[in-house]
Order: sequence, then C-alpha cells, then structure tokens
Amino acid sequence: DIQMTQSPSTLSASVGDRVTITCRASQRVNSWLAWYQQKPGKAPKLLIYQASSLESGVPSRFSGSGSGTEFTLTISSLQPDDFATYYCQQYNSYSTFGQGTKVEIK
Amino acid sequence: EVQLVESGGGLIQPGGSLRLSCVASGFIVSSYYMSWVRQAPGKGLEWVSIIYGGGVTYYADSVKGRFTISRDNSKNTLYLQMNSLRAEDTAVYYCARGRTSSGWVFDYWGQGTLVTVSS
Repeated sequence: DIQMTQSPSTLSASVGDRVTITCRASQRVNSWLAWYQQKPGKAPKLLIYQASSLESGVPSRFSGSGSGTEFTLTISSLQPDDFATYYCQQYNSYSTFGQGTKVEIK
Repeated sequence: EVQLVESGGGLIQPGGSLRLSCVASGFIVSSYYMSWVRQAPGKGLEWVSIIYGGGVTYYADSVKGRFTISRDNSKNTLYLQMNSLRAEDTAVYYCARGRTSSGWVFDYWGQGTLVTVSS
C-alpha cells in the first residue's frame, strides 16, 4: 500500500500569507496526485488533479506542483474562505489520502 | 446540476448489516466511475470502494469481503452493502463521482451519511 504523509499537520497563517503544504508518497505515484479542501461538516472539494491541473472554478491562487514522491499545494495569498483542512490523494495504485493539514487563523 | 444524495446510515450493532444508497441526478451513474469514501469522526479520508462504468469493482483491504458496491442503472443509484460491521467502520460515508478524464479523482461528492457501529 502507498502511504501519503502531509506536513505540517497544522499551519497557522494570516490573510494574505503565502502558504505551502507538502505531501510525500512512500512510493512513486508519478503525477497521479490530487488535492482537496474540506470545511467542517462539509464534503471535500476538489482543487487540483494530476499534481498541477486546476479544477474548473477553483481560484488561481491555488497551485500544485511535484511528481514522483514529493508534492506541494501552494496558496499564493490566503483568503478568509481558505481556512480549512487540505488533503492530498494518490491515485497511482488504488487510492490513499494523506492525514490532512489544517490551516487555521494565526 | 450534478447532485449526489446519500441515505441509509444509522446506528447498528457490531456484526450487523446496513445498505447505503446514493441517488444521483444531473448525470448517468453508469457512465462514470463511482466511489465510496469514508471519514471516521475527527479523522481523515479513507477510500472504500469503486465501481467502473463497465462494472469492475475494487475495495480497500479494510473492507474487502465484507462490503459490496453496486448500482441500479434504472434508478441511477449507487449502493454500498455493508456486512459484518465493526466499531472501526463508524464513519461518515460519502459517495463521490470520478472525473471524466480520471475516474479515481472525485469531482462531485454527496453530503454524507453517518454510520455508527456500537452496542
């Protein structure tokens, strides 16, 4: 099984900050990596797929990069609506999610 | 408009069975990969099962042999039959649609249905 490890687990930031979340895979997943945003009591929302492709309707302040085993999600200028938990997902071999990164208000 | 509405969750004793339903609207379930993803209280996301448009199915090791994914094309509905339930199956269960170009990426999700396994 492929394990996905996100860092940090919690991130404190302010509106306007540049935020970067890292996701590492225990084996190579090529570019088969997606990112989701989840708010409390809500279903996850797809942000990025294939490591760097922005889902339709997602603001351009979100971007993804990486391949192989190391990936990043970057929010260029954090907005009030962005305080949430973010998950990476590999889909190279079945599917595994990271444990999540909570972005909270500093 | 694409919508997914889950139902069938509830409180069930260990060893019991439950069937979850996910009614889809705005698209044809049989034309997409469809998955179930669960989230234990306060925990992260766990993929559970997927059914391809052609009917091929896959399961996470944690539920293999106990859960069965299926669909009714006439009702445009996805199901998850859950047998031999354990306390660790307690979670909110989401159904999710796979993207057209990559069925293992989930572009639409339901609101979730809570399954609680407890005596």
